[in-house]
Amino acid sequence: KQEVTQIPAALSVPEGENLVLNCSFTDSAIYNLQWFRQDPGKGLTSLLLIQSSQREQTSGRLNASLDKSSGRSTLYIAASQPGDSATYLCAVQETSGSRLTFGEGTQLTVNP
Amino acid sequence: GAGVSQSPRYKVAKRGQDVALRCDPISGHVSLFWYQQALGQGPEFLTYFQNEAQLDKSGLPSDRFFAERPEGSVSTLKIQRTQQEDSAVYLCASSFGGFFNEQFFGPGTRLTVL
Repeated sequence: KQEVTQIPAALSVPEGENLVLNCSFTDSAIYNLQWFRQDPGKGLTSLLLIQSSQREQTSGRLNASLDKSSGRSTLYIAASQPGDSATYLCAVQETSGSRLTFGEGTQLTVNP
Repeated sequence: GAGVSQSPRYKVAKRGQDVALRCDPISGHVSLFWYQQALGQGPEFLTYFQNEAQLDKSGLPSDRFFAERPEGSVSTLKIQRTQQEDSAVYLCASSFGGFFNEQFFGPGTRLTVL
């Protein structure tokens, strides 16, 4: 059974700092990996999707990398802002099925 | 529509009541997914539809949970005889093609069972 782990569970940083969120998964037979943002009381907003054949994706200040063989992904946020405060979730989609398997998330607080 | 919508946004039920949660996917999206998110946890898969066909219901936690999508568009998740452990946010997602397409999520329905 696929298991997804995110480290750290919570992170508090001052504004302007660059930061890295980590995601690991146990089964490397994945089709893609997605990073989502969730604000309190809201649904999930997709940030980046990396296909299994890709190594990284970039969108603005966000960069996500994928090392499928080692079962790891990182989300890099450059020059963090208070508006980045949210819970960040990673999810993998296995080649065998339809479901996304999520980690428990990293709760990020960026202090002004 | 502009995005996935869900109703109601909040639902309070007494233990033992039946509830029905609605999901309106993005227009034209073939695939529809339901997930359950307990407080402080990541979402967990419940079930998947392709058009009106329920292709995977392996995540439904018990036979009290039932989902349908009769015309291949709107979907309803029904929970019978609700229990306190059913309290969670229920998220719906849709994707354009088969399940290997990016999933777009709705705002969720927060269910509280007293």
